Amino acid sequence: DARVTQTPRHKVTEMGQEVTMRCQPILGHNTVFWYRQTMMQGLELLAYFRNRAPLDDSGMPKDRFSAEMPDATLATLKIQPSEPRDSAVYFCASGWALAGENTGELFFGEGSRLTVL
Amino acid sequence: KQEVTQIPAALSVPEGENLVLNCSFTDSAIYNLQWFRQDPGKGLTSLLLIQSSQREQTSGRLNASLDKSSGRSTLYIAASQPGDSATYLCAGPGDNTGKLIFGQGTTLQVKP
Repeated sequence: DARVTQTPRHKVTEMGQEVTMRCQPILGHNTVFWYRQTMMQGLELLAYFRNRAPLDDSGMPKDRFSAEMPDATLATLKIQPSEPRDSAVYFCASGWALAGENTGELFFGEGSRLTVL
Repeated sequence: KQEVTQIPAALSVPEGENLVLNCSFTDSAIYNLQWFRQDPGKGLTSLLLIQSSQREQTSGRLNASLDKSSGRSTLYIAASQPGDSATYLCAGPGDNTGKLIFGQGTTLQVKP
């Protein structure tokens, strides 16, 4: 049963602490997206990787957020230091795209719900 | 900059009704377009993917169409059921790099 796996599912932390969220994309997929979802803003694109290379991270606050793909089976999103306004659900999604083509069907993980006190 | 708008934001219908959800894009150069469903507290589930060479896709009681010339897509749900209650989101390319931009979604409630 191929699926995108995210950890942790829930995280409560205090302001100023470092938070790392992890994502295991579906085996064989070559595109990975990180989205943040809040009631006010909906789904916002934070970062986008293809073949492990970052293609777009313009939606991500660079001073505190970083996204990486150490290998094809792991994507990470790190917040340091965390702030209360970072409280949201963070989703990872993976898909397949050929070079020069748009991403095909996208599969989402269950999300990581972050609360920063 | 691509923007995605979904209308209506919320919809409540009695069971059995046919309904249409709308999605529009500011940049009509649309390639793949996807419709998703999200249940409360859950991730998004892909419903239909319309590829660039297609005009519509069907799955069971769902039919999605894409009019690239006008930058609009519709999701048609036939004979709605209470189990269809969820938020429906559409997503399209933000640019030619393949990234996907989402609308705010339409929250559907189907009353028994």
